[in-house]
Amino acid sequence: AQSVTQPDIHITVSEGASLELRCNYSYGATPYLFWYVQSPGQGLQLLLKYFSGDTLVQGIKGFEAEFKRSQSSFNLRKPSVHWSDAAEYFCAVASTTSGTYKYIFGTGTRLKVLA
Amino acid sequence: SAVISQKPSRDICQRGTSLTIQCQVDSQVTMMFWYRQQPGQSLTLIATANQGSEATYESGFVIDKFPISRPNLTFSTLTVSNMSPEDSSIYLCSVRLGAYEQYFGPGTRLTVT
Repeated sequence: AQSVTQPDIHITVSEGASLELRCNYSYGATPYLFWYVQSPGQGLQLLLKYFSGDTLVQGIKGFEAEFKRSQSSFNLRKPSVHWSDAAEYFCAVASTTSGTYKYIFGTGTRLKVLA
Repeated sequence: SAVISQKPSRDICQRGTSLTIQCQVDSQVTMMFWYRQQPGQSLTLIATANQGSEATYESGFVIDKFPISRPNLTFSTLTVSNMSPEDSSIYLCSVRLGAYEQYFGPGTRLTVT
């Protein structure tokens, strides 16, 4: 079955520290992968996406993610976290099986940033 | 990307009533989606709304409870009917743009009392 797993429900980091949010997927075909951020009371903003090619993708707000097919992972990273990065982060895969298209979302990781 | 707006941004409704949520996009799009996000949860797809065809509902969601209209390529509505407190959620619309990505509206926060 197709699925996306975000193992960490909550993560707390200090401002200026590095960040890695984990995402594992289960998908039989070529995965189209995304990371979104949801600030409190807001909709979802697309941070970055991976379709093919270079496995290290750069996104907005200084985020990057690395696609590792052997590990079925697409982890999100940021070298230095800012207080404004406190938000909920969602990993998603676009499912295109059986001629249909839809997203499968992970359960989300809530990031708290300590001053 | 696209600019997506939703109305209302939030509402408090009495149980048994209905609320219609509007989603407007600044460009023409074929595929629009409606999601529900219950408190502290991830997003759950309610239905896919393609212009010119009936909406396709996901398992657990039915048209009588969540009727959807898609009159043109820039607009859609979702109605939450006969509401109960369990319908208290954030409702988000999204559009498919480009190859596979979706862009989301700001959401409608619904509280049912």
